[in-house]
Amino acid sequence: DAGVIQSPRHEVTEMGQEVTLRCKPISGHNSLFWYRQTMMRGLELLIYFNNNVPIDDSGMPEDRFSAKMPNASFSTLKIQPSEPRDSAVYFCASSLGRSSYNSPLHFGNGTRLTVT
Amino acid sequence: GENVEQHPSTLSVQEGDSAVIKCTYSDSASNYFPWYKQELGKRPQLIIDIRSNVGEKKDQRIAVTLNKTAKHFSLHITETQPEDSAVYFCAVPEQAAGNKLTFGGGTRVLVKP
Repeated sequence: DAGVIQSPRHEVTEMGQEVTLRCKPISGHNSLFWYRQTMMRGLELLIYFNNNVPIDDSGMPEDRFSAKMPNASFSTLKIQPSEPRDSAVYFCASSLGRSSYNSPLHFGNGTRLTVT
Repeated sequence: GENVEQHPSTLSVQEGDSAVIKCTYSDSASNYFPWYKQELGKRPQLIIDIRSNVGEKKDQRIAVTLNKTAKHFSLHITETQPEDSAVYFCAVPEQAAGNKLTFGGGTRVLVKP
């Protein structure tokens, strides 16, 4: 099992540009999560999906952020337009079931985003 | 939503000594309590978890204890080694049966040789 795969590993972009982060969950996992990690705010849940359907997007900072999951093996997180304060490490994670009681989170290696 | 507090934020120990990290939570219905370890520049990885039907779980040098009445759980690392140096996060599900985890603020552990 290759684990959760994220791309790119690093992204450097200029303020105002569109950024798209990609995630492939572990095959068979039906829950997918996007987290953002910064020194100031720690690990924050942005949005999560169950069976490709967004369940809770209350953590999405603002309308500049959007996420999609067109099928069970692919998800994107898009920031448009990007701002310097979006600089962070973005993690995608997946789990097997609807309850963490029976299915722990598996994280990808993250995308380090730098917006200048 | 769930409120998770983790202490201390940093912990420096001598190699061979023990380390203890404590996490408190707010939702008394929570029934699953994992701990994640994140090495520098890497992803968080689950190292141990406990469910609410037990009070303690051990796995070699690490253990987790749970006090449901007081709503706190702790990670214990014995005989610390340099490779234990990392950031450790506790987490709690948002709902009793949900899979939305709220993470603590993290504890940076440094094991000095």
